[in-house]
Amino acid sequence: KQEVTQIPAALSVPEGENLVLNCSFTDSAIYNLQWFRQDPGKGLTSLLLIQSSQREQTSGRLNASLDKSSGRSTLYIAASQPGDSATYLCAAKPEGGATNKLIFGTGTLLAVQP
Amino acid sequence: GAGVSQSPSNKVTEKGKDVELRCDPISGHTALYWYRQSLGQGLEFLIYFQGNSAPDKSGLPSDRFSAERTGGSVSTLTIQRTQQEDSAVYLCASSLHSLGLMDTQYFGPGTRLTVL
Repeated sequence: KQEVTQIPAALSVPEGENLVLNCSFTDSAIYNLQWFRQDPGKGLTSLLLIQSSQREQTSGRLNASLDKSSGRSTLYIAASQPGDSATYLCAAKPEGGATNKLIFGTGTLLAVQP
Repeated sequence: GAGVSQSPSNKVTEKGKDVELRCDPISGHTALYWYRQSLGQGLEFLIYFQGNSAPDKSGLPSDRFSAERTGGSVSTLTIQRTQQEDSAVYLCASSLHSLGLMDTQYFGPGTRLTVL
């Protein structure tokens, strides 16, 4: 059974710092991995999607990497801003089978202090 | 539409009552998903629709939960005889397809259900 873990559970950094959020998954048979952010009381916003054949994806100040064999993904945020404060969730899509569900991690709550 | 919409945004109900939650996916998206986010728990998958195929119901927690998708667009999640443990935020998502680069799931704002 696929399990997705995120470390740390919470993180507080001063504005301007670069930071890394970690996501690990127990079963390397994934089709893709997706990073989301969730703001309080709101739905999820997709940030980056990495296919299993890819190593990384970049969007602006965000860079996500994927090491499928070791069961790890990281989300790198450069030059953090207070507006980056949110909960960040990673989700793995299992390979094969008829299901297309995402298996979510429990999230990292990020606070960027001005 | 511009994004996935859900209604109502908040629903308070009494234990034992039935509730219906609605999801309007992004126009043209063939795949639709329901998830549940409980306090202190992660997001858990409930059910998935893809086109005219039979839905994947593997995540539904009990037979009190059901969902339908009419005309390949709007979906309704129904919870019968609600229990307090059903209290959660119910999130709907859609994607253009279910495989490949079109697989990015776009989420609605959710419906917060409170069962008293």
